[in-house]
Amino acid sequence: GDSVTQMEGPVTLSEEAFLTINCTYTATGYPSLFWYVQYPGEGLQLLLKATKADDKGSNKGFEATYRKETTSFHLEKGSVQVSDSAVYFCALYSGGGADGLTFGKGTHLIIQP
Amino acid sequence: EPEVTQTPSHQVTQMGQEVILRCVPISNHLYFYWYRQILGQKVEFLVSFYNNEISEKSEIFDDQFSVERPDGSNFTLKIRSTKLEDSAMYFCASSEVRGAGEQFFGPGTRLTVL
Repeated sequence: GDSVTQMEGPVTLSEEAFLTINCTYTATGYPSLFWYVQYPGEGLQLLLKATKADDKGSNKGFEATYRKETTSFHLEKGSVQVSDSAVYFCALYSGGGADGLTFGKGTHLIIQP
Repeated sequence: EPEVTQTPSHQVTQMGQEVILRCVPISNHLYFYWYRQILGQKVEFLVSFYNNEISEKSEIFDDQFSVERPDGSNFTLKIRSTKLEDSAMYFCASSEVRGAGEQFFGPGTRLTVL
């Protein structure tokens, strides 16, 4: 079945550091890929998405490129801020009649000033 | 900005008791979902609901679980006889369209079964 693997956290960085959170997936067909973010006390919010190979999703300075050849969708940001501290979830939607998203475990990101 | 709300934020119950978790999806959305996350594990899909019936359910969603849209605004998840292993964070979500469109999530209800 479908699965998503993302790097374990917590990931602790200093403000203005470069961020990469790795995400790889296993799916049949051609899934759509997502990054969701959860700030403390809030629900999961869609951060960005990509629906086909080589698409780049971007939002709020974050980027991720759908790499079919490596089955990856790594999240990157050039310069993180304290306000980026949150839990980040990689997810996929494989379609084919299925409604649910398949999530990774989440990566807790801590940005220190 | 419209948002999905969930109540209560934290529910504590005794094993064997029934619980009802409540959600108010975004008003013009047609598709509703429940997910759960056991501490330290992945967020898992439980069930989707459309047009007043279940459209898909995972193997986790057994006979102990049921969902209902009792009126035009609420969407509920009922666990008939809770077990210790039902302790988890339960997320409700809704979407305008089915498929790869955005699912909007609520803040979750933390269920603790003692």
